[in-house]
Amino acid sequence: GAVVSQHPSWVICKSGTSVKIECRSLDFQATTMFWYRQFPKQSLMLMATSNEGSKATYEQGVEKDKFLINHASLTLSTLTVTSAHPEDSSFYICSARDEAGHGNSPLHFGNGTRLTVT
Amino acid sequence: GENVEQHPSTLSVQEGDSAVIKCTYSDSASNYFPWYKQELGKRPQLIIDIRSNVGEKKDQRIAVTLNKTAKHFSLHITETQPEDSAVYFCAASIRGYSTLTFGKGTMLLVSP
Repeated sequence: GAVVSQHPSWVICKSGTSVKIECRSLDFQATTMFWYRQFPKQSLMLMATSNEGSKATYEQGVEKDKFLINHASLTLSTLTVTSAHPEDSSFYICSARDEAGHGNSPLHFGNGTRLTVT
Repeated sequence: GENVEQHPSTLSVQEGDSAVIKCTYSDSASNYFPWYKQELGKRPQLIIDIRSNVGEKKDQRIAVTLNKTAKHFSLHITETQPEDSAVYFCAASIRGYSTLTFGKGTMLLVSP
């Protein structure tokens, strides 16, 4: 089945630094990928929709200058958390759908990245 | 936008019992309703989904029912096992199968 790979699985960084998270669709192409954030014991909140070859669409309340998204190819989207602060510590998960399924394929999630900002 | 409510937030059952988790949604245009299981620190895994043209779907011990009129759908797990213990999320989509709005999750604990 469709596999979404996310890297790194965990990262610890100092406050003020930037962190890049990669999301890859391993055996399918995805013009659209989705980035979610999940705080402990809470639900998944959509942050932004990553669009291949164009600007990402951000959900209300998500700072686009802080969470930079690049979707340079049909199999790779990256999320960069710039000038990270402790409140950015969270579980970030990407997802994508095999678009060859013409609307019948479910959404598949990456294995997530646990970011800890010290 | 879409709003998905999920209940209960926690559910404890004895092994072998049935478990039911309920969700309601606000947008009548929603047409796709998946359920995800998430074990601690891991990615959400799709366990079953249902489309708005179907009222019920079953896969072994798991079933999902949908009431479009009332705008609610439920997950039913029968003969629960300890390995069913996890957080379960319902979700609804109003734009094909892509953008999902998630419920807040239900922590299911199955005691042996």
